[in-house]
Amino acid sequence: DTAVSQTPKYLVTQMGNDKSIKCEQNLGHDTMYWYKQDSKKFLKIMFSYNNKELIINETVPNRFSPKSPDKAHLNLHINSLELGDSAVYFCASSQTGNSNQPQHFGDGTRLSIL
Amino acid sequence: SQQGEEDPQALSIQEGENATMNCSYKTSINNLQWYRQNSGRGLVHLILIRSNEREKHSGRLRVTLDTSKKSSSLLITASRAADTASYFCATDSRSNDYKLSFGAGTTVTVRA
Repeated sequence: DTAVSQTPKYLVTQMGNDKSIKCEQNLGHDTMYWYKQDSKKFLKIMFSYNNKELIINETVPNRFSPKSPDKAHLNLHINSLELGDSAVYFCASSQTGNSNQPQHFGDGTRLSIL
Repeated sequence: SQQGEEDPQALSIQEGENATMNCSYKTSINNLQWYRQNSGRGLVHLILIRSNEREKHSGRLRVTLDTSKKSSSLLITASRAADTASYFCATDSRSNDYKLSFGAGTTVTVRA
């Protein structure tokens, strides 16, 4: 069974549209994350939730809204998509959220804005 | 700004050779982690080293940490074609041990 799974794997859409990416982890972890990886492979944290509570909210446009219905799920909704949103978005989880724990990543959602 | 930066950006070696890559960071840390990313896949955790540790081993991987120089190295010995991937270091900061900062990685190509 996949530990961290995110859907869809690919997302191609027009500028201005609204889209969602879903993430689920079956590891029993308390903390989940969203990262954005740009074309140069630079990986940047966007959000982190611990037991459904937002604990990290980096400087991300408010067009991006995370939602955690329970600690096993963290979804990302993006409004009014822009060309600069094209990237690979990774979901990850860790046991407690502390940096002394490894993070487990999904295989990414490749978002392309036309 | 990003905390960890890997060097070199890219590395090409022959199968069986060793691969060494470095990570430098700016502010004091509690923990440093190394990850591998195969093409089209998510990151996979390799090793975690704490600030009071100087060296750790895991199979063919050896990680060192020099907190005085704010740098770490990852050595892969006897490389295999399957080691072809990008390698990232991730650091926290003393003031925030809930956030990891990643660099842009070192892309390693192992030639058969």
